[in-house]
Amino acid sequence: DAGVIQSPRHEVTEMGQEVTLRCKPISGHNSLFWYRQTMMRGLELLIYFNNNVPIDDSGMPEDRFSAKMPNASFSTLKIQPSEPRDSAVYFCASSAPSSGSTDTQYFGPGTRLTVL
Amino acid sequence: GEDVEQSLFLSVREGDSSVINCTYTDSSSTYLYWYKQEPGAGLQLLTYIFSNMDMKQDQRLTVLLNKKDKHLSLRIADTQTGDSAIYFCAEDSGYSTLTFGKGTMLLVSP
Repeated sequence: DAGVIQSPRHEVTEMGQEVTLRCKPISGHNSLFWYRQTMMRGLELLIYFNNNVPIDDSGMPEDRFSAKMPNASFSTLKIQPSEPRDSAVYFCASSAPSSGSTDTQYFGPGTRLTVL
Repeated sequence: GEDVEQSLFLSVREGDSSVINCTYTDSSSTYLYWYKQEPGAGLQLLTYIFSNMDMKQDQRLTVLLNKKDKHLSLRIADTQTGDSAIYFCAEDSGYSTLTFGKGTMLLVSP
């Protein structure tokens, strides 16, 4: 079992550039979550999908952020244009269907984004 | 709204017990979780407890749940330097989502 896969692991870009973060959830999981982690705000849920459909994007900070899940095995988080305050570690997590069981989320290793 | 509170930092000596505390607000949570984050890595599930239990033990880990006070704790017995990490408490928030605390940094000194 490969776990949740994220790419790239590190991204350094200049302000104004477009950034695309990628995630492959665990096979068979039907929920996918994007989080952002910073020292100041801790772990914030940005958006989550269930069966490839966005359920709640209220955590997405601005219109500069967008996320897609074209199929069950792939999701992207895009920032356009990027700003220095977007610098953070972005995590993707996935979970299996829950019906009377836990909602355990399995996290990827994260993408450390630095916007100069 | 839901809010999960944790102390930010705990320092212990190797071999001592560590106790990390957490308070939550959603009394309807079915499960409560403890995750561990090592430097440069994602969060990893350590253990969880069902809301109708008041204690769960798993090797060196003991989870205590006080539903009346909405208080959750994680005790690590015989703490090792490899236990140094950030520990997150989380509650289920419905619709498969979790609400995480800001994390407690545990530093274990030799």
